[in-house]
Amino acid sequence: QSVLTQPPSVSGAPGQRVTISCTGSNSNIGVGYPVNWYQQFPGTAPKLVIYDNNNRPSGVPDRFSGSKSGTSASLAITGLQAEDEADYYCQSFDMSLSDSVFGGGTRLTVL
Amino acid sequence: QVQLVESGGGVVQPGKSLRLSCAASGFIFSNYGMHWVRQAPGKGLEWLALTRNDGTEEFYADSAQGRFIISRDNSRNTIYLQMNSLRTDDTALYYCAKDGNQGSSWFDYWGQGILVTVSS
Repeated sequence: QSVLTQPPSVSGAPGQRVTISCTGSNSNIGVGYPVNWYQQFPGTAPKLVIYDNNNRPSGVPDRFSGSKSGTSASLAITGLQAEDEADYYCQSFDMSLSDSVFGGGTRLTVL
Repeated sequence: QVQLVESGGGVVQPGKSLRLSCAASGFIFSNYGMHWVRQAPGKGLEWLALTRNDGTEEFYADSAQGRFIISRDNSRNTIYLQMNSLRTDDTALYYCAKDGNQGSSWFDYWGQGILVTVSS
């Protein structure tokens, strides 16, 4: 059971907009710890796509955006492309555990 | 460019020890905290440990506390993970990852991962 909860899977057609939710609590997201998002293709290392809630590292397309409200956060991908098909993980810090914590991951399928 | 290269993985029997290394290049190593994160086969990511930039503090997940030791050698631009009393559920791909900024909560670069298999 992950501290941060994500849907196991989401899907969308090319060109559509999809969102992936990340639900935490008042010991992590809800008390203001930043949420970060990683993209992982099979057999490769995770790649940071959103940091500090809504910032994109250099080279990440502006189709990717992040938001946070209360104890939850979301990753949105607009103009969905086949190359976006991957696993996505949210991550934050939990003050009760004093640990960095990840969500369980969401498999994005492009139909 | 930033590179992180893990080594030291392999097959080990339950109860034995193993030491992983992560060699870093392309950035001022002594300015950044460094982490170990693992991923069991077919599972999600699990943060394990952090060493502060100057090596004066270490932090561990409960799953690593008491069995794993993270350390760093800033003269060699390398971090280590000493894993003791290994269990079959420690079987995973182990990644080292770099802090995004000093004291930040995100990991901006990751190694390619090194496989550790604990099996009799």
